[in-house]
Amino acid sequence: DVKVTQSSRYLVKRTGEKVFLECVQDMDHENMFWYRQDPGLGLRLIYFSYDVKMKEKGDIPEGYSVSREKKERFSLILESASTNQTSMYLCASSLVSGFIYEQYFGPGTRLTVT
Amino acid sequence: QKEVEQNSGPLSVPEGAIASLNCTYSDRGSQSFFWYRQYSGKSPELIMFIYSNGDKEDGRFTAQLNKASQYVSLLIRDSQPSDSATYLCAANNAGNNRKLIWGLGTSLAVNP
Repeated sequence: DVKVTQSSRYLVKRTGEKVFLECVQDMDHENMFWYRQDPGLGLRLIYFSYDVKMKEKGDIPEGYSVSREKKERFSLILESASTNQTSMYLCASSLVSGFIYEQYFGPGTRLTVT
Repeated sequence: QKEVEQNSGPLSVPEGAIASLNCTYSDRGSQSFFWYRQYSGKSPELIMFIYSNGDKEDGRFTAQLNKASQYVSLLIRDSQPSDSATYLCAANNAGNNRKLIWGLGTSLAVNP
């Protein structure tokens, strides 16, 4: 079974703080993703990585950065947290397999910025 | 803009009935399609994927794909209250296969 873990289930931070969200997968997947999910807006891709040290911006990268120093680990960084970054953050990973790229999700981190 | 569209619902069915969830996609180059289930407050979990025209069955779930109509559906037979959740449809992005295009989801309520 694929296992994707995230460092925290719930997190409360203050405006202006630097926030680190960490994701680890144990299936040697090449691709890893960070999404945020908000009511009515669905899943929105922030960043993804297709290899160590490689990353691509998603649809809403502003205010975020990422780091992938090891294949199994993908970190999302909020440089200076703002209240509009209050959201559910979901990490996912996927394997390269022909044209099938099913994604497997971690449990999510519900971040509140006050 | 590549899109996947779903009826937001809620779709309400009685226990034991067949629930039919539908999805249309705009990117003709998409080849693979995914159905995820998401319980309230939880993360999405993969139910099944399909890439060939026709039906694919897995237990009580059947995915159907019609590429000519750009239409994907998920049938849930013998619906149970535990099937009450939001169902997300996704299609691979033909311009970058690693990425998925997500629908907003359909809320399903199965009434005992």
